[in-house]
Amino acid sequence: GAVVSQHPSWVICKSGTSVKIECRSLDFQATTMFWYRQFPKQSLMLMATSNEGSKATYEQGVEKDKFLINHASLTLSTLTVTSAHPEDSSFYICSAKREGLAYNEQFFGPGTRLTVL
Amino acid sequence: DQQVKQNSPSLSVQEGRISILNCDYTNSMFDYFLWYKKYPAEGPTFLISISSIKDKNEDGRFTVFLNKSAKHLSLHIVPSQPGDSAVYFCAASYSGTYKYIFGTGTRLKVLA
Repeated sequence: GAVVSQHPSWVICKSGTSVKIECRSLDFQATTMFWYRQFPKQSLMLMATSNEGSKATYEQGVEKDKFLINHASLTLSTLTVTSAHPEDSSFYICSAKREGLAYNEQFFGPGTRLTVL
Repeated sequence: DQQVKQNSPSLSVQEGRISILNCDYTNSMFDYFLWYKKYPAEGPTFLISISSIKDKNEDGRFTVFLNKSAKHLSLHIVPSQPGDSAVYFCAASYSGTYKYIFGTGTRLKVLA
């Protein structure tokens, strides 16, 4: 159990367009999901915490108006990169916290490779 | 400010030998630590974790050691297998938050 999926797995878009990435917990409910970004040969950097039914909490330096997060259900969070630019090209990974576990264990999705031309 | 550091970007080990991956942290509030394994273009997969009330946790070939006074943890893999070749990230978290702070990763290559 504890499978997290992401869609799409990769996307190429033109500069100025918006891209939506979905993160789903397939076999468990997740009131809390997280969005990370990883640049080549760097660490996973937490962008924001997505809370079901409420606003996301963004990390310092992450533009909330550029990276829109919606967590409308207990199994789905979406990240929309608005007006994407080449510097937004990165590997975006989501994770979900499974309810009922004794401690805070997150399950990660397979990631989405975004390339902005 | 990198609160979690993995100072060795890469490590090569012969098959069957022990692999030791190290991780240092600066925030004394961290009370839960995890190790993840990651292949290129995939999400991290959980390996093993340890709470700050312990100094060792073992799961099969994987053992994590925690030295709170030194703010240091290490992952031991023994015996190492070629399939262990991947990037290993340590992560830290603290009570009251579910946020993980990841280290910069160590690329392990196990040579057959």
